[in-house]
Amino acid sequence: NAGVTQTPKFQVLKTGQSMTLQCAQDMNHNSMYWYRQDPGMGLRLIYYSASEGTTDKGEVPNGYNVSRLNKREFSLRLESAAPSQTSVYFCASSERGFNEKLFFGSGTQLSVL
Amino acid sequence: QKEVEQNSGPLSVPEGAIASLNCTYSDRVSQSFFWYRQYSGKSPELIMSIYSNGDKEDGRFTAQLNKASQYVSLLIRDSQPSDSATYLCAVRGGGADGLTFGKGTHLIIQP
Repeated sequence: NAGVTQTPKFQVLKTGQSMTLQCAQDMNHNSMYWYRQDPGMGLRLIYYSASEGTTDKGEVPNGYNVSRLNKREFSLRLESAAPSQTSVYFCASSERGFNEKLFFGSGTQLSVL
Repeated sequence: QKEVEQNSGPLSVPEGAIASLNCTYSDRVSQSFFWYRQYSGKSPELIMSIYSNGDKEDGRFTAQLNKASQYVSLLIRDSQPSDSATYLCAVRGGGADGLTFGKGTHLIIQP
């Protein structure tokens, strides 16, 4: 049972480079999320998709774009990476509803030099 | 701005004792409350959820919710070294925008 799968696990970029983080879930969940986690800052929501075909900004969306490709897949794109985007990125998914439990992928460690 | 506050720790507890972790939240319309455990270098994993006032027990874990005081807690009985981790409190408000997380409490269980 794969759950939430993220790729890549590690990535090093130079300032100004672009890249896409991929996320797929096999739990038939409606909602998907991208969080970043920085030391001392906790988990912060970047973007989310409440259902297929919709995306919305979270707390820290600047410098990112997302695509909800289908119900399973939700990608996060950095168009021009900056050192401030060095972080651990987590994708998560959930059923939609008030008892919304998030299930997380294993994370992507991104360093921007 | 929704806020979830936790003491960052570290909280050091002897093996076999009760560990008590606390969390307060700012959004009065919050509906659902969660505790996640995160080992170093790993992703968060859900250990408890609670939706109504009172206590909820699951094995060695007890979650407590007091909506009037906007307070959530997690008790870990018979603490084990394997419980050493960062514990994240998460709250869901009335909208569809996912969970708001606290910064986590680093718990150390001393053998």
